[in-house]
Amino acid sequence: QSALTQPPSASGSPGQSVTISCTGTSSDVGGYNSVSWFQQHPGKAPKLMIYEVNKRPSGVPDRFAGSKSGNTASLTVSGLQAEDDADYYCSSFTSNAGGNTVFGGGTKLTVL
Amino acid sequence: QVQLVQSGSELKKPGASVKVSCKASGYTLTSHPMNWVRQAPGQGLEWMGWINTNTGNPAYAQGFRGRFVLSLDTSVNTAYLQISSLKAEDTGMYYCVRDFTGKDAFDIWGQGTMVTVSS
Repeated sequence: QSALTQPPSASGSPGQSVTISCTGTSSDVGGYNSVSWFQQHPGKAPKLMIYEVNKRPSGVPDRFAGSKSGNTASLTVSGLQAEDDADYYCSSFTSNAGGNTVFGGGTKLTVL
Repeated sequence: QVQLVQSGSELKKPGASVKVSCKASGYTLTSHPMNWVRQAPGQGLEWMGWINTNTGNPAYAQGFRGRFVLSLDTSVNTAYLQISSLKAEDTGMYYCVRDFTGKDAFDIWGQGTMVTVSS
């Protein structure tokens, strides 16, 4: 199935806010509240940052916030810190034939 | 401590098979669904499929039907991914991932198993 669409890159200076988008269709992002966001540092396994659109797992700073409007989900990182420099992936449940879950292509967030 | 510990890196020739293990500790394997995700070198995440850890029933993404088999051994709290007739394009990092809500909340990831297919 087709991947969700994310911008390949995003950037911001320390202390600023940045928003990463994740666009799908009514068969995935728009149709279900099962959107998640993952952070991945080089050479490491991904880490769950947001699940069910806007819920934060224990231990994830409240600088990370998720939202959704129509077929587009967003991850906002406020008060950027050096350690936020990483790849970010969204995922969603999908009703499309071929699978239950689809990932976005990933966004490289650079903290300038 | 809740964790998933995967088996070590594998180097295989084209046409061979490989079986990757994923041992759950700190929780009972059957309490949450288990998913598998592939990441080719320098590429993004690709969902492969999941297994219902209560029934043992697997489901596969479209590109992972036929040569890929998900299974369990609940007696040792371990999930498995077997890949047969390996091809060069199967090269990548394979992760097992727990879904703690059953709604794609992939909260615990194994450390990954690197499978390299090369002649």
